[in-house]
Amino acid sequence: AQSVTQLGSHVSVSEGALVLLRCNYSSSVPPYLFWYVQYPNQGLQLLLKYTTGATLVKGINGFEAEFKKSETSFHLTKPSAHMSDAAEYFCAVSEGGGYQKVTFGTGTKLQVIP
Amino acid sequence: DAGVIQSPRHEVTEMGQEVTLRCKPISGHNSLFWYRQTMMRGLELLIYFNNNVPIDDSGMPEDRFSAKMPNASFSTLKIQPSEPRDSAVYFCASSLQEYGYTFGSGTRLTVV
Repeated sequence: AQSVTQLGSHVSVSEGALVLLRCNYSSSVPPYLFWYVQYPNQGLQLLLKYTTGATLVKGINGFEAEFKKSETSFHLTKPSAHMSDAAEYFCAVSEGGGYQKVTFGTGTKLQVIP
Repeated sequence: DAGVIQSPRHEVTEMGQEVTLRCKPISGHNSLFWYRQTMMRGLELLIYFNNNVPIDDSGMPEDRFSAKMPNASFSTLKIQPSEPRDSAVYFCASSLQEYGYTFGSGTRLTVV
């Protein structure tokens, strides 16, 4: 069975500071990993995904994440936070290979302080 | 592409009434998912379809909930009778293979 753990339900950073949102996964097969962002009163939007190949994945809005198999982690980072980054972020895992059921983490709300 | 389209955006209904939520997936996507989001329970997968066939409905809370996908371009989620604890935001998402979901904007359901 697959699962996702997001450490920290709320994270606060200053504008211009590094953003680091943590995600650890559990999967019985090589996973496909995703980060989604949800702005207030909107649906979830795909930020980036890892399926195979390069372990450092770049996404939209300057975010990137690195798949570390040895640590079963897929942390999301951004070098410099903007006010517009304030949102809720969800890490997700699927077992890939065409199996499309995705399991989401509980989400991390990012607050950006001016 | 207009994305995943859900209707209505907001629904307020009285306890005991039937509620039908609608979803139009992205053309060409072969899987469709219904999720429920609440503060207490987060995102819960209710049911998903692959090529219009229900594959996993283990997340459907109880018999009051039913979902259909009569064709590749339309799905419904029905709650009958509705209860206050069904109040939540219901999301529909569609996908093609393992390329990630595209979510609709959701339907905010309030049962009073």
